[in-house]
Amino acid sequence: KQEVTQIPAALSVPEGENLVLNCSFTDSAIYNLQWFRQDPGKGLTSLLLIQSSQREQTSGRLNASLDKSSGRSTLYIAASQPGDSATYLCAVTTNQAGTALIFGKGTTLSVSS
Amino acid sequence: NAGVTQTPKFRVLKTGQSMTLLCAQDMNHEYMYWYRQDPGMGLRLIHYSVGEGTTAKGEVPDGYNVSRLKKQNFLLGLESAAPSQTSVYFCASSERRTEAFFGQGTRLTVV
Repeated sequence: KQEVTQIPAALSVPEGENLVLNCSFTDSAIYNLQWFRQDPGKGLTSLLLIQSSQREQTSGRLNASLDKSSGRSTLYIAASQPGDSATYLCAVTTNQAGTALIFGKGTTLSVSS
Repeated sequence: NAGVTQTPKFRVLKTGQSMTLLCAQDMNHEYMYWYRQDPGMGLRLIHYSVGEGTTAKGEVPDGYNVSRLKKQNFLLGLESAAPSQTSVYFCASSERRTEAFFGQGTRLTVV
């Protein structure tokens, strides 16, 4: 059974710092990996999608990498801002359950000004 | 472009009552999913559909039923609500192996 783990569960940093969020998964047979952002009381916003054949994806200050063989992904946030404060969720799709996303429990990021 | 829309956004039910949550997507996606999100448990898959007229059980299907009579709609039903079903429910849609899009969620409280 695929399991997704995100470490750390919470992270506090001062504004301007570069930071890395970690995601690991137990079964390397994934189709893709997706990073989401969730603000308190809100829905999930897709940040980046990495297909299994890709190594990384970039969007603005965000860069996500994927090492499928080791079962790891990282989300790099450059020059963090208070507006980046949110919970970041990592999820993978496999050939199970109609390729439904399997989620980690998230990392809650707080960026102080 | 609305994306994925969930109705209602909030609801309070008494134990034993029934209700239906509606999910509508305008992206012509084949795949649709219902998740519940609980503190400390993360997002867990309740039911999913890989096309109009199809449904299947996910990780936590007990106490829920679903229907996908139209491609754009995926309904989640609670026949006899229990306090354990107090949660935030999210609907999502996608094509196979592509980016998934989520609705804004339905916050359900069963008292």
